[in-house]
Amino acid sequence: SQQGEEDPQALSIQEGENATMNCSYKTSINNLQWYRQNSGRGLVHLILIRSNEREKHSGRLRVTLDTSKKSSSLLITASRAADTASYFCATRRGSTLGRLYFGRGTQLTVWP
Amino acid sequence: EPEVTQTPSHQVTQMGQEVILRCVPISNHLYFYWYRQILGQKVEFLVSFYNNEISEKSEIFDDQFSVERPDGSNFTLKIRSTKLEDSAMYFCASSEEGLIGEQYFGPGTRLTVT
Repeated sequence: SQQGEEDPQALSIQEGENATMNCSYKTSINNLQWYRQNSGRGLVHLILIRSNEREKHSGRLRVTLDTSKKSSSLLITASRAADTASYFCATRRGSTLGRLYFGRGTQLTVWP
Repeated sequence: EPEVTQTPSHQVTQMGQEVILRCVPISNHLYFYWYRQILGQKVEFLVSFYNNEISEKSEIFDDQFSVERPDGSNFTLKIRSTKLEDSAMYFCASSEEGLIGEQYFGPGTRLTVT
C-alpha cells in the first residue's frame, strides 16, 4: 500500500507550544496534501506540497517533504485550543487521475 | 470563499433501500470525487469523475454504486440497495486540476443504514 501513515497517532500539548506531525508513504508521489478534520466534520484542506518542493509555509503551518525518505512533516507553531482536531496527510500518485490515499491521522489535542 | 456543499447532512435508511447523496462542487472545478470514512477508519476513495464519465473507481465502488452529474451544478452518488456496512460518512470533493490540484471537500453526509 502506498497510503500515508501519520505519527504520532495522538499528540497532546499546551497552548503556545509547537506541534509536529509526521507522515510516511511507500511509493513515489506527485504531491502530498494535509487536511484537518474536526470531530465528526468535513475535511479542511490545509496545504499542498508538490514532489519537487521541499518546504512550504502558510500562516502558522510549515510543511516539509523529503522524497528520498518518503516522508513529510506538518508543524503548527504557537498552537491554540482551536487547533484541536485530527490531521491527515493524503498522497497522490503520478499515475492516477487524482485519487488521494489517506493515512489514519494524528489526533492533536491542545489544552488551554 | 467558494465551497463544496452536500445534502443531506444526515440520512437514515433501511437496509435494501436506495439512497442518493447530493453534492454541489465548486463552480469552476472540473474534477469530482466521492470518498467515504467508516467510523474510526481511514478516508477511502470511491470514484473520480471528469468530463461526464468515471475516471477511476476503487474496489469498493461496485455495481451497487453509481454517480451522475444530472445538470451543470449537482454531482450525485447513488447506492441502489444499501447494506449495513455502507454506514459511513460520505464526502464529496472537487478539484480545478486533476493530477496536481488541491481537492476541496464538502462537510459530508452521514449515512446510517439500519
